Formats: sequence, structure tokens, C-alpha cells
Amino acid sequence: DVKVTQSSRYLVKRTGEKVFLECVQDMDHENMFWYRQDPGLGLRLIYFSYDVKMKEKGDIPEGYSVSREKKERFSLILESASTNQTSMYLCASSWGPAPNQPQHFGDGTRLSIL
Amino acid sequence: QQPVQSPQAVILREGEDAVINCSSSKALYSVHWYRQKHGEAPVFLMILLKGGEQKGHEKISASFNEKKQQSSLYLTASQLSYSGTYFCGTEVNSGYALNFGKGTSLLVTP
Repeated sequence: DVKVTQSSRYLVKRTGEKVFLECVQDMDHENMFWYRQDPGLGLRLIYFSYDVKMKEKGDIPEGYSVSREKKERFSLILESASTNQTSMYLCASSWGPAPNQPQHFGDGTRLSIL
Repeated sequence: QQPVQSPQAVILREGEDAVINCSSSKALYSVHWYRQKHGEAPVFLMILLKGGEQKGHEKISASFNEKKQQSSLYLTASQLSYSGTYFCGTEVNSGYALNFGKGTSLLVTP
């Protein structure tokens, strides 16, 4: 079974801090994704990556950046955390380069910015 | 562009059937369906590619009408374990990113 592991289940940070959310997958997947999930808004794509050191903006990239130095790890960075970034963050991975592959999700990180 | 799911929420008694719809304003390459139980990660159910294919997974099946840019998820003889939020994810081009709908909350009661 594919395992997607997010480093923290719950995280509390302060406004203005630089925040790192880490995601690791163990299935040698090429594609990795970061979503945020808010009540009533569904899953919204922040960034995705289809290869090491490659990244593409999703629908809501403002205020975020990402890093993918190794194939198995995809990091989401909040450069200067703000209260409106309080949310559930979900990481996912899928096999590539073929499209139409299932995405496998981690358990999520519930981030609170105070 | 985010697809539109309907209904937003549905309550069923065990054994009843339900249909969840997912519509897009753009031509679709594929539609994915996922289920998320409370406090858990979304779990993949199935993918439908353009071509009107219908797929099945246990008593859950789905169809994809590419002319209408619409997919429907059919839950037959619902079980308590079907409770959760169902998301459709649409792929406009043959790429890797999905646009997810806002979700449909399904509650199956005894």
C-alpha cells in the first residue's frame, strides 16, 4: 500500500512565522500535490510537482512556496504565516508520468495560525 | 475551474440508493471520485475517462457523459460504511492536476 506521511497532525504557529509542512511518500511516485481543505470549499490545489525540482502553481499559490529536492519529499512553505492560512493541509502523490492515476493522500496537517 | 457537485448533502436510510452529480463548464478528460470519512484522508474510489465509460466498485458505480461534461456516482443499497464526504476531481487536459468539487456529505442512518 502507498504510504503518504505528513510530518505533523496538528501544528500551532504565530502570525509572521515561517512555517514548513513536510510530506514524504514511499512509493517512488513522480507527482506530488499540496491542497488546502476548508469547510464548504472542498479541496483547493496550492502547488504540485511532477518531478524533482519541478513545481507548478495551482489555484491558490499566493503566500505559499514549495520545495522538492528529493523525489520522495515535497515541502510546503508559508513564508510569513497569516491567520487566513489557518486550515487543513493535505498532501497527495500519484504515479507518473502517465496521467489519470489515482492520488493517494496523507492524513493531513491541521494548522492554526494565532 | 471548480466542478459543481449536487446535492450538497444527503441523508439516507440503510439500503436506500443515492446519486451524486458532478458538472463542469469545460470539456473533461477524466473524472475521479474520492470518499473522505470524518477525520481521515480522502480515499480513491474510481477514475472515468472520456468515452462514456461506466465503472463499478462494490455497490458503487459511476458514469461519465462527456457531451454534458457530467459524471454521476451511484450508491446502491447503501451501507452505514458509505457515510462520508464524496468529492469529484476533474481533469481538463491530459495532465496531472485535478480540480475538486466542494464535496457532497452523505449520511447513512440505521
